[in-house]
Amino acid sequence: NAGVTQTPKFQVLKTGQSMTLQCAQDMNHEYMSWYRQDPGMGLRLIHYSVGAGITDQGEVPNGYNVSRSTTEDFPLRLLSAAPSQTSVYFCASSYLGADTQYFGPGTRLTVL
Amino acid sequence: GENVEQHPSTLSVQEGDSAVIKCTYSDSASNYFPWYKQELGKRPQLIIDIRSNVGEKKDQRIAVTLNKTAKHFSLHITETQPEDSAVYFCAASKRGGGADGLTFGKGTHLIIQP
Repeated sequence: NAGVTQTPKFQVLKTGQSMTLQCAQDMNHEYMSWYRQDPGMGLRLIHYSVGAGITDQGEVPNGYNVSRSTTEDFPLRLLSAAPSQTSVYFCASSYLGADTQYFGPGTRLTVL
Repeated sequence: GENVEQHPSTLSVQEGDSAVIKCTYSDSASNYFPWYKQELGKRPQLIIDIRSNVGEKKDQRIAVTLNKTAKHFSLHITETQPEDSAVYFCAASKRGGGADGLTFGKGTHLIIQP
């Protein structure tokens, strides 16, 4: 199993550009989440999903879109990137009914 | 929504001594409390967790205690070693795991002095 994978590892965008951060897992996990991590801020929940076709907003959803068309994939879309979205983004997944969340390696995004 | 406060932000201890990190939460409906360790440039790794129907849980040198009445929980690391140096995060959730996401504290940078 590859576990939770994220692409790209690093990305630099200009203000106003759009892009999609990819997250995939091969563990058949029903639950998937996106977090952002800023220095001194801990991790903050952006969006999460409890299964294909079901998504919900977390603490900081503005400026981000998600969809979950398959169990394996949970992409995060930035519609119009802003410097405030410069951060490290982590995807996480877990089994239905289980507590342990498995984190991906992260994507470091810089918006100029 | 839930709010998790974590203290201290930095903790320096001598190798072999114990370290204690404390967190408080605001939502009495929260019932799952994990602790994550994050080394520089790496992903967070779960080290121990506890549910609200348990007061204490141990795993070798680490333990977590929970006081539901006071809404606080703590991480205890005994016999600290250099490899314990990292940033530690506490978190809280109502339903556990990824069912409704985690609310994290801001982290504690633990430094183990040789």
